[in-house]
Amino acid sequence: DSGVTQTPKHLITATGQRVTLRCSPRSGDLSVYWYQQSLDQGLQFLIQYYNGEERAKGNILERFSAQQFPDLHSELNLSSLELGDSALYFCASSAHGVAWETQYFGPGTRLLVL
Amino acid sequence: GQNIDQPTEMTATEGAIVQINCTYQTSGFNGLFWYQQHAGEAPTFLSYNVLDGLEEKGRFSSFLSRSKGYSYLLLKELQMKDSASYLCAGRWTGGSYIPTFGRGTSLIVHP
Repeated sequence: DSGVTQTPKHLITATGQRVTLRCSPRSGDLSVYWYQQSLDQGLQFLIQYYNGEERAKGNILERFSAQQFPDLHSELNLSSLELGDSALYFCASSAHGVAWETQYFGPGTRLLVL
Repeated sequence: GQNIDQPTEMTATEGAIVQINCTYQTSGFNGLFWYQQHAGEAPTFLSYNVLDGLEEKGRFSSFLSRSKGYSYLLLKELQMKDSASYLCAGRWTGGSYIPTFGRGTSLIVHP
């Protein structure tokens, strides 16, 4: 158990809908990262937050947005969902958000868009 | 680009030794991670190499050659539970410093 929690574990929804994925980092970690993992793309970095502020952006679509709240939990919002958005979404956390730190991954949310 | 290349799949026998290779672009390179990921589960950290050489942690060792753009993960005394995907992830200066992950090497350990 990494100490990172994610809810829900599974999510099934329809095309065009909007969903929110939630992540709580390890106690004491200030930085949160979101990743998408699909069979054909591998693990793709989406976005990073540090202490409530966006710090780095990866291959995140405009239909996706995220935020980190004062209590350091983070939410990833996915809207106008398409079939291709079906994937595992991982949240990871690290202490200070610096690149050489180990990232601790949560168990993931498996999203299925029908 | 900052490509990471690793084999898609490898098989090995329980009790044996296996080496999983990873090659990457050397320009601007700043460090390399190895993660283990069991099917449907979260990746877990194995090692981080910045300097050339071999780092050993129990049955797992990781090697880096910065000049050759090459790393490997060495797994000794293989156990069935080592069947997993092994992800190589590199960091480069410039742009986002977030590690870029390879597609992973699926290791199958058979009796």
